[in-house]
Amino acid sequence: DSGVTQTPKHLITATGQRVTLRCSPRSGDLSVYWYQQSLDQGLQFLIQYYNGEERAKGNILERFSAQQFPDLHSELNLSSLELGDSALYFCASSPYHRGEQYFGPGTRLTVT
Amino acid sequence: AQTVTQSQPEMSVQEAETVTLSCTYDTSESDYYLFWYKQPPSRQMILVIRQEAYKQQNATENRFSVNFQKAAKSFSLKISDSQLGDAAMYFCAYRISTQGGSEKLVFGKGTKLTVNP
Repeated sequence: DSGVTQTPKHLITATGQRVTLRCSPRSGDLSVYWYQQSLDQGLQFLIQYYNGEERAKGNILERFSAQQFPDLHSELNLSSLELGDSALYFCASSPYHRGEQYFGPGTRLTVT
Repeated sequence: AQTVTQSQPEMSVQEAETVTLSCTYDTSESDYYLFWYKQPPSRQMILVIRQEAYKQQNATENRFSVNFQKAAKSFSLKISDSQLGDAAMYFCAYRISTQGGSEKLVFGKGTKLTVNP
């Protein structure tokens, strides 16, 4: 158990819908990262937050957004969902200046 | 751009034997971190081992060790005394960071390891 929690574990929704994925980092970790894992794209970095501020952005679609709240949990919002958004979405957190990232169990999103 | 290449899509090893997974990366940085992550069928991403580029000594964690060749930009993972529970997808990753505090991991495409009893 990495200490990073993600909810829900599974999500099945229809095209055009909007969903919210939730992540709680390890106790004391200020940085939160979101990654997408799909069969064709592999593991792709989406976005990083540090203590409530956006720090880095990857190939995140405009239909996707995220935020980190004062209690350090983070949410990833996916809207106008398409079939191609079906993937495993990971949240990770890291201790400051340590380098490594600890991953949550992931949320499997299926868009039908 | 930093890239990570894992040239072995699949590998297999006999239980109790040793196997080495290869990884090469491309960077112009002098100080960086490299990682190996394991993803078993449960899909959880588990950190196996980390290496800081400024450290010449190769990292070890129990049966897992790395061969870090900075000049060659090579970072291989050696698993000794392989166990059935080692069967998983293994990802090599490079950490990109900036002075402004942005960080991200760039992953290779992975190597699927099968352990035969």
